[in-house]
Amino acid sequence: SQQGEEDPQALSIQEGENATMNCSYKTSINNLQWYRQNSGRGLVHLILIRSNEREKHSGRLRVTLDTSKKSSSLLITASRAADTASYFCATDATGTASKLTFGTGTRLQVTL
Amino acid sequence: GAVVSQHPSWVICKSGTSVKIECRSLDFQATTMFWYRQFPKQSLMLMATSNEGSKATYEQGVEKDKFLINHASLTLSTLTVTSAHPEDSSFYICSASIVPLSIFEAFFGQGTRLTVV
Repeated sequence: SQQGEEDPQALSIQEGENATMNCSYKTSINNLQWYRQNSGRGLVHLILIRSNEREKHSGRLRVTLDTSKKSSSLLITASRAADTASYFCATDATGTASKLTFGTGTRLQVTL
Repeated sequence: GAVVSQHPSWVICKSGTSVKIECRSLDFQATTMFWYRQFPKQSLMLMATSNEGSKATYEQGVEKDKFLINHASLTLSTLTVTSAHPEDSSFYICSASIVPLSIFEAFFGQGTRLTVV
């Protein structure tokens, strides 16, 4: 399987704390994306980082990419209860950013 | 942003019947759409790539005769689960790419929860 691995599988933090999720993948990629999925719902695109980029920011999100280690991390700062969801990394090897291989996901629980 | 609409959002069907799921790109043309399946508490697994006007490309282990895909127009792809069985119960999600293909995030539908009883 080419599916990536994410850790931790589950993460529980209190509101205001930072949450860090890691993703490892197996093949060379053109880009890596992070998605959020609320329980039983569709996917929300969070951020895309290209293979020649090392770090990217979007609001409270910070994504890093280390292609030598085939890994990425997603940091959510100052978490909120509304951030409670599953987070998936997804890689694309075709250059289209569309045919995606998803990681196993991290279930984040943010409590008040 | 681009919108992908999936219908129905949930469906319950009897074992042995067929179910059709639609995936529409509402404000853009999509030559390529992708169908994913997600079992409870698991990740999304790509089932097939749907190309407008040609046959779909199925991933290894996905039965093309069981999961019929039709992409007859630039805005609509359908997935038909034929002779559904309880083990087909899952969350099915489509995504679409803007024409022409470029480095761009995929737009996902809201998903269809299929329950086969």
